[in-house]
Amino acid sequence: GIQVEQSPPDLILQEGANSTLRCNFSDSVNNLQWFHQNPWGQLINLFYIPSGTKQNGRLSATTVATERYSLLYISSSQTTDSGVYFCAVNSGGSNYKLTFGKGTLLTVNP
Amino acid sequence: GAGVSQSPSNKVTEKGKDVELRCDPISGHTALYWYRQRLGQGLEFLIYFQGNSAPDKSGLPSDRFSAERTGESVSTLTIQRTQQEDSAVYLCASSLGPGQGQNGYTFGSGTRLTVV
Repeated sequence: GIQVEQSPPDLILQEGANSTLRCNFSDSVNNLQWFHQNPWGQLINLFYIPSGTKQNGRLSATTVATERYSLLYISSSQTTDSGVYFCAVNSGGSNYKLTFGKGTLLTVNP
Repeated sequence: GAGVSQSPSNKVTEKGKDVELRCDPISGHTALYWYRQRLGQGLEFLIYFQGNSAPDKSGLPSDRFSAERTGESVSTLTIQRTQQEDSAVYLCASSLGPGQGQNGYTFGSGTRLTVV
């Protein structure tokens, strides 16, 4: 099946810093999503982005499907951005099964 | 309801016992999914329901695991004869239909299962 690799596995920032998280995938995808899992375990949809670029406030994401990677940018980070960021994809004949990467654990210190 | 509700939020059970985990999806969502998250790992797909049918059970780890859905609503994941390797957070999600894009997947807060 498709492989999803995220980097870095861990990231520590000071409040106000910017960061870039990367997601590489091994095959073409129908769908790519970024999720944030907060320290209480709740998973929140950030972006549905099988291709192109989207922005939502301080967050933006870019997927280059032909090169099989996606980037999540966080600008002016805040302590509330802490948690795990997951990339998840649908591929092949499935339009419902998400394959997740192992995530990037982000810690933003005040 | 307003979101996906899972119960219990935490469950500690003895090895060999059976457990039932419950998921109440968002009203009107026809698709429902169970995922498992082991410590420090991403989510692993377990099973997908469309209505009350499960066209894809390929992620269930063994025949000790089963799930059902009734009334196109509540789903129950049952683990029989629990083993220590079953310890994980079990997450349920629902969507209007399969693969509904940006607003498609809403996850519950999960049930943290610990087998001692």
